[in-house]
Amino acid sequence: DAKTTQPNSMESNEEEPVHLPCNHSTISGTDYIHWYRQLPSQGPEYVIHGLTSNVNNRMASLAIAEDRKSSTLILHRATLRDAAVYYCILDRGSSNTGKLIFGQGTTLQVKP
Amino acid sequence: GAVVSQHPSRVICKSGTSVKIECRSLDFQATTMFWYRQFPKQSLMLMATSNEGSKATYEQGVEKDKFLINHASLTLSTLTVTSAHPEDSSFYICSARDHGATNEKLFFGSGTQLSVL
Repeated sequence: DAKTTQPNSMESNEEEPVHLPCNHSTISGTDYIHWYRQLPSQGPEYVIHGLTSNVNNRMASLAIAEDRKSSTLILHRATLRDAAVYYCILDRGSSNTGKLIFGQGTTLQVKP
Repeated sequence: GAVVSQHPSRVICKSGTSVKIECRSLDFQATTMFWYRQFPKQSLMLMATSNEGSKATYEQGVEKDKFLINHASLTLSTLTVTSAHPEDSSFYICSARDHGATNEKLFFGSGTQLSVL
């Protein structure tokens, strides 16, 4: 399974944008880039995913490098509720085993 | 949206007893479900893939006789921790993929905190 690399932790001020980076230099052509986040004592929650083009949804934006070896999750205005561990994961979907392997993720702290 | 329900959310048991955790897909069918374990301050570790109507596939190092998985229907998978010991205390999380959705994203249960005394 291809691996992702993320910073262990990041800090942000409330209502400011946050850019969470992820490196995935061994990504294959069929790998989707998924982002999940986990609040304390809860199961992970889907945030966003993409394949090649940048993606936007109500939670965040995903910027994917042209060579697909890196991506950035963008939270446009961080709130205190966005404090969580963010996981960047490569997913081949059910066409493969369908399982997701989690890395260490980035712990985001949001300061008021 | 699709929801995965996990029960119980918290369980305390005595050493040597068995504990069953249920994972249900509420509005979609899941031929495959995944079970993860998470220790404090660590990431999720995949334990096994639960396959409806067939045997589960366990990750390397996970004892299949200790962590019994049953996936008898398209909406229910159970994980039974047999003869639990204090070192089995952990946060257990299940997940399922909605194959009917366009993006096949994975949905997660809210987790079960197991404490073995």
